[in-house]
Amino acid sequence: EVQLVESGGGLVQAGGSLRLSCAASGFTFSTYSMNWVRQAPGKGLEWVSYISVSSSTIHYSDSVKGRFTISRDNARNSLFLQMNSLRDEDTAVYYCAGVGTRFDYWGQGTLVTVST
Amino acid sequence: EIVMTQSPATLSVSPGERATLSCKASQSLSSNLAWYQQKPGQAPRLLIYGASTRATGIPARFSGSGSGTEFTLTISSLQSEDFAVYYCQQHNNWPLTFGGGTKVEVK
Repeated sequence: EVQLVESGGGLVQAGGSLRLSCAASGFTFSTYSMNWVRQAPGKGLEWVSYISVSSSTIHYSDSVKGRFTISRDNARNSLFLQMNSLRDEDTAVYYCAGVGTRFDYWGQGTLVTVST
Repeated sequence: EIVMTQSPATLSVSPGERATLSCKASQSLSSNLAWYQQKPGQAPRLLIYGASTRATGIPARFSGSGSGTEFTLTISSLQSEDFAVYYCQQHNNWPLTFGGGTKVEVK
């Protein structure tokens, strides 16, 4: 069974940093590209970032470019999102999602709350 | 950026009735369009990819159609578990974008 388990969310002050993690199991993580998708409270879905299998191709939404960094560790079956210079509008549930550019698998999400 | 527009925002349907949801793209997507279902407090679930291919385990009452800029998700006979929010998503161009969602509620 495919499992994606996010962690690392929490309450942070505006301007602060958080690092999210996603532990993958039940599939060959090292052969699939992955994404982060977020959902602000009561709002729709917003794609955040994509990383290819070898980390050679990375994309970000304009709203996080220059502040967030996606990475992965295929040996540890893990995906990461380093979030710096956090803003109020970054408050959301962050989902780890794969595979490729459509999202067959989703984690349960981790809530990030940015206080001003 | 490709803008995805879903309509209607809310659809009121009685159980057993047919529901038709629309998704329009600001540029052609070929068939690179996916549909997701999300229930309160849950992560989204992939229903349809490639505009018309049902994902694994998705009941046959869900069907997708369309290509280019206009797409439709049809639920042939609504079951109680189908009342939820539905999103379309394009994966033809960067950045990947979602529609604003259609909430299917009980009439």
